[in-house]
Amino acid sequence: RKEVEQDPGPFNVPEGATVAFNCTYSNSASQSFFWYRQDCRKEPKLLMSVYSSGNEDGRFTAQLNRASQYISLLIRDSKLSDSATYLCVVNLATDKLIFGTGTRLQVFP
Amino acid sequence: EAQVTQNPRYLITVTGKKLTVTCSQNMNHEYMSWYRQDPGLGLRQIYYSMNVEVTDKGDVPEGYKVSRKEKRNFPLILESPSPNQTSLYFCASSEGLAGAYEQYFGPGTRLTVT
Repeated sequence: RKEVEQDPGPFNVPEGATVAFNCTYSNSASQSFFWYRQDCRKEPKLLMSVYSSGNEDGRFTAQLNRASQYISLLIRDSKLSDSATYLCVVNLATDKLIFGTGTRLQVFP
Repeated sequence: EAQVTQNPRYLITVTGKKLTVTCSQNMNHEYMSWYRQDPGLGLRQIYYSMNVEVTDKGDVPEGYKVSRKEKRNFPLILESPSPNQTSLYFCASSEGLAGAYEQYFGPGTRLTVT
């Protein structure tokens, strides 16, 4: 079983739609969680950290479910510019980052 | 402008010809690391460095070397490249421990070994 698993997609959604991605992790000792965004052939960039209480940044909401070992990312009112690959990243207790393979989102007009 | 730079951005080379990919950051970050990204495998850490003269192996260190003689620079060395090292390479830096701070990535180096 992979340490971090994501549905590769692609998720094809129209502008204005709400879309959600999940990511599961296998190590229950994982300590911190992040979503990074990666545009095609570009470097990953931090989208948001994921806190135990959940957090929101504009149209983006991230949640953590430790009991079921998954994190989620919700994007409301999708924009064309949201088209990218979203990487789930988990930090183990050893301060090692594990990157998921990413979920591709394509927003169409 | 705060940034991580990598050179070269694209490189095609032949098996066995030593090469170095440079990485430099201007943010005075303590922590630097190298990743490779391959389809279906995600980013995998090659080496990391907690500070000057302190380096350690990541998940896939075989065939690579690094050095950290100055805080800002963290070059990746392939002594004898092989085709299985064909990949997209990213250098990253952060203020401190990887799990506590945002990782800033360089623009990537696309390496092809024939």
